[in-house]
Amino acid sequence: DIQMTQSPSSLSASVGDRVTITCRASQSISRYLNWYQQKPGKAPKLLIYAASTLQSGVPSRFTGGGSGTDFTLTISSLQSEDLATYYCQQSDSLPLTFGPGTKVDIK
Amino acid sequence: EVQVVESGGGLVQPGGSLRLSCATSGFTFSSHWMHWVRQAPGKGLVWVTRINDVGSSSTYADSVKGRFTISRDNAKNKLYLEMTSLRAEDTAVYYCARDSHSSGMDVWGTGTTVIVSS
Repeated sequence: DIQMTQSPSSLSASVGDRVTITCRASQSISRYLNWYQQKPGKAPKLLIYAASTLQSGVPSRFTGGGSGTDFTLTISSLQSEDLATYYCQQSDSLPLTFGPGTKVDIK
Repeated sequence: EVQVVESGGGLVQPGGSLRLSCATSGFTFSSHWMHWVRQAPGKGLVWVTRINDVGSSSTYADSVKGRFTISRDNAKNKLYLEMTSLRAEDTAVYYCARDSHSSGMDVWGTGTTVIVSS
């Protein structure tokens, strides 16, 4: 199974800050990497697929990058509504696996 | 509006069974692979199983293999998860999610809660 790790596990930042979350796969997954946002008490929401393609309707302040084993999710200017846990997920091979999540708090 | 709505969760004793349903609308159900993903209280997301568009092929996480069965009825636009031999560690919110043709899971329901306890 492909193991996914994320760092940091949590962060606290101010509105307007640039925030970067890192996701690492235990083996190369090309660009088969998706990012989800889960707000407290809500279902996950797809933000980015194929490492860097923004899902329709997602604000452009979210960007994804990387390939192979190392990936990033960047929020260019953090907004209060971005308070959530962010998960990466590999879709290269079964079983599909998620990272442990990064909780983003607003200072 | 594209949506999926889960139902069927509840309290069940260890060793018991439960059948979850996922009603879909607003899209061509028979054109999409579908997934079940679960989330234990306070924990992260865990993929459980997926089924192809015609229902002829399914894959499971090792933790549920042999105990859970995914199925679908394309005439009724519904997805199912039959869960048997339930354990305490199966306690979770179960989400139904649409596969966007290998571009992530793009539609999620609000989830249904399964509690396995005596």
